Amino acid sequence: AQKVTQAQTEISVVEKEDVTLDCVYETRDTTYYLFWYKQPPSGELVFLIRRNSFDEQNEISGRYSWNFQKSTSSFNFTITASQVVDSAVYFCALNAGNNRKLIWGLGTSLAVNP
Amino acid sequence: GAVVSQHPSWVICKSGTSVKIECRSLDFQATTMFWYRQFPKQSLMLMATSNEGSKATYEQGVEKDKFLINHASLTLSTLTVTSAHPEDSSFYICSAREQLSRLAKNIQYFGAGTRLSVL
Repeated sequence: AQKVTQAQTEISVVEKEDVTLDCVYETRDTTYYLFWYKQPPSGELVFLIRRNSFDEQNEISGRYSWNFQKSTSSFNFTITASQVVDSAVYFCALNAGNNRKLIWGLGTSLAVNP
Repeated sequence: GAVVSQHPSWVICKSGTSVKIECRSLDFQATTMFWYRQFPKQSLMLMATSNEGSKATYEQGVEKDKFLINHASLTLSTLTVTSAHPEDSSFYICSAREQLSRLAKNIQYFGAGTRLSVL
């Protein structure tokens, strides 16, 4: 079975704090892809990152960084020095094997307060 | 690049009417498009997978006669909600995946969504 768990339903931080959003996945496939999407209040989903199962290198993009650990089946997302504009719902998703569908987590609602 | 346009962004209709939502990939060819439904404060629920030139694949529990999907070209898929009722009110989102190739990255790019309100 394939599954994505985002245990944090809501997170509230004050601007400039660092925040980490957790994502744990389940799959029996050896080849799979993990994604993070951002959904601001406007509703449009914005693609943030894609990681394949053979690349465990962590990635940094500006204030965003991702920590992929196959040993714990986790793909966590950290925002450094958070800003109000980071307020959104963040979804982690999995695409595995021959399945063309994305398996979605329930999302984490992040509120960054001034 | 990788822009997906979804239209309309917002629609209000009377119960019993049909509503068509368009999803276009503007700068890439999409052999596969996906239609999702999202209820407030919930995750995305896949309704169907739309393949260019063939019938859509519907998820379990989604009425194919209620939600008609057409993927007539590599850049356009449409979702028609037939005989809409208040319970069909929701946020509908489409996504498009670039034609699979060595360079494609299996990434779904999303439209801005359509908020449907059925009175």
